[in-house]
Amino acid sequence: GIQVEQSPPDLILQEGANSTLRCNFSDSVNNLQWFHQNPWGQLINLFYIPSGTKQNGRLSATTVATERYSLLYISSSQTTDSGVYFCAVVMVGYALNFGKGTSLLVTP
Amino acid sequence: SAVISQKPSRDICQRGTSLTIQCQVDSQVTMMFWYRQQPGQSLTLIATANQGSEATYESGFVIDKFPISRPNLTFSTLTVSNMSPEDSSIYLCSVYGQGGNEQFFGPGTRLTVL
Repeated sequence: GIQVEQSPPDLILQEGANSTLRCNFSDSVNNLQWFHQNPWGQLINLFYIPSGTKQNGRLSATTVATERYSLLYISSSQTTDSGVYFCAVVMVGYALNFGKGTSLLVTP
Repeated sequence: SAVISQKPSRDICQRGTSLTIQCQVDSQVTMMFWYRQQPGQSLTLIATANQGSEATYESGFVIDKFPISRPNLTFSTLTVSNMSPEDSSIYLCSVYGQGGNEQFFGPGTRLTVL
């Protein structure tokens, strides 16, 4: 199956800082999603982005499908951005294959 | 999008017992997926449940341990059988939204086995 690698595994930021999270995948994909798992375990959809660039408030994402990577940008981070960010791609059978995630802690 | 509810939201169980988790969706869907998230880990697919057919299990997961029912297009259950402490995890169900491209997740069931 398609391998999904995320970096960095852990990240600590001060409130107001910007960050870039990366997701590399081993083969071409036609479905890539970014999720935020909050401290209560809820998975929140951030972006469906198989290619191109999207923005939603302080968050934006870019997927370069030909080079097999996706980036998630967080600007002006807030403590509520803390949690784990997952990248996931579709497997054969339509389920999602998740990366190991980036654990983000934003401190006041 | 899709609105998904799960019951129970959390439970603490004794080893050797079984727990059935319910997943309810606000629209009819063909495929429902069950995932497990062990402490500090990522999500792993347990099985895909299609209405009217047997669930398809991923390597490492077997029907005797994780029986699944899919009685209609809006509902599914996952049973965790003969539990051990290693089954302590968050169990999540998911479906594709109306557009068919984006997958949405229920709030999860946080299971602790003593």
